[in-house]
Amino acid sequence: DVKVTQSSRYLVKRTGEKVFLECVQDMDHENMFWYRQDPGLGLRLIYFSYDVKMKEKGDIPEGYSVSREKKERFSLILESASTNQTSMYLCASTPGGGASEKLFFGSGTQLSVL
Amino acid sequence: SQKIEQNSEALNIQEGKTATLTCNYTNYSPAYLQWYRQDPGRGPVFLLLIRENEKEKRKERLKVTFDTTLKQSLFHITASQPADSATYLCAHPSDGYNKLIFGAGTRLAVHP
Repeated sequence: DVKVTQSSRYLVKRTGEKVFLECVQDMDHENMFWYRQDPGLGLRLIYFSYDVKMKEKGDIPEGYSVSREKKERFSLILESASTNQTSMYLCASTPGGGASEKLFFGSGTQLSVL
Repeated sequence: SQKIEQNSEALNIQEGKTATLTCNYTNYSPAYLQWYRQDPGRGPVFLLLIRENEKEKRKERLKVTFDTTLKQSLFHITASQPADSATYLCAHPSDGYNKLIFGAGTRLAVHP
């Protein structure tokens, strides 16, 4: 089975801190995604990547950046964390081809910014 | 812009009954719809995909329908069990097919 691993289940950070969320997948998938999930709003796409060193903005990229130096790893960076970035962050991957194939998700990181 | 609407109110049903969840979409008709299950504090897990030329798709106790005229998909769980309690998300590709658009999900609670 595909495994998508997010480095932390829970994180607590202070306003203004730089935050790194790490995601690793073990099935050589081409596409990787970062979503955030808030009650009543569903999943919203932050950034995605089709290939190493490649990135595309999703629907809500403001305040975030990403890095994909290796195929298996996709990092989400909050340059200066703010309280409105408190959320559940979900990483996902798909094998290749269309980026709208079924997604394999990690377990999520619940980030609290105080 | 395209939106997916799922009932935000929780659905409470008795064990053994059939649960029916609704997914409505606006504007363009997608080539397919996907359904995911999400347990509290976990990431969503893919369940089923139904294409626009498939009226119905089944997998064990799960059944999904896709009505392009009504712009609606229905998700059924027959002989429901307490273990089916979770949030169920509907999703479909964007018009550029470069991402999935998700509904907010409907929480299902199956009571013994």
